[in-house]
Amino acid sequence: DTEVTQTPKHLVMGMTNKKSLKCEQHMGHRAMYWYKQKAKKPPELMFVYSYEKLSINESVPSRFSPECPNSSLLNLHLHALQPEDSALYLCASSQVKGGSPNYGYTFGSGTRLTVV
Amino acid sequence: QKEVEQDPGPLSVPEGAIVSLNCTYSNSAFQYFMWYRQYSRKGPELLMYTYSSGNKEDGRFTAQVDKSSKYISLFIRDSQPSDSATYLCAMESGGYQKVTFGTGTKLQVIP
Repeated sequence: DTEVTQTPKHLVMGMTNKKSLKCEQHMGHRAMYWYKQKAKKPPELMFVYSYEKLSINESVPSRFSPECPNSSLLNLHLHALQPEDSALYLCASSQVKGGSPNYGYTFGSGTRLTVV
Repeated sequence: QKEVEQDPGPLSVPEGAIVSLNCTYSNSAFQYFMWYRQYSRKGPELLMYTYSSGNKEDGRFTAQVDKSSKYISLFIRDSQPSDSATYLCAMESGGYQKVTFGTGTKLQVIP
């Protein structure tokens, strides 16, 4: 299995709602990432998990809350979002080899989020 | 100056043409270089990964790295309409830490 699966594919939520994005991979990758991508822009890193521990938080607002329940799953909990948070949210995974390269990411297809 | 500069295009070529996509970078710590292809409304897909100066070939794709000039390229031979996508260069200094993406070049291959 060489895929990263994200659900849901599309999500519309109100500013007072609570929702979660889910990501799953079964490639044995021990690093998992959340990226945010606005239209015609490159992906922006939000969070990095390594061995199920949060290793990088790119100063993301607390209305985004990541969780890594196990080595295959990554969640992003959303609460009280703003319309400007509407974007494509991408999950990715990669190998972890200490100081060695990760040989690139495997991305999911993303969740297209619209905040109304 | 941005760490990674990439011509946004759009680039429009006829089917069968050779396509050259380029990025320059300023951070000498970058050692590992990637090219991703992203179709509309999809996640990026890794095309090429390289870490040394020189050329790496995979089918119709060739990645070229010149660390002395801080310049990387992706060549696509015999371009096909299915190659129409946005191409993102990306680079990192090592490990699983932050990858820096270029802004992407949108390519259209016309049948």
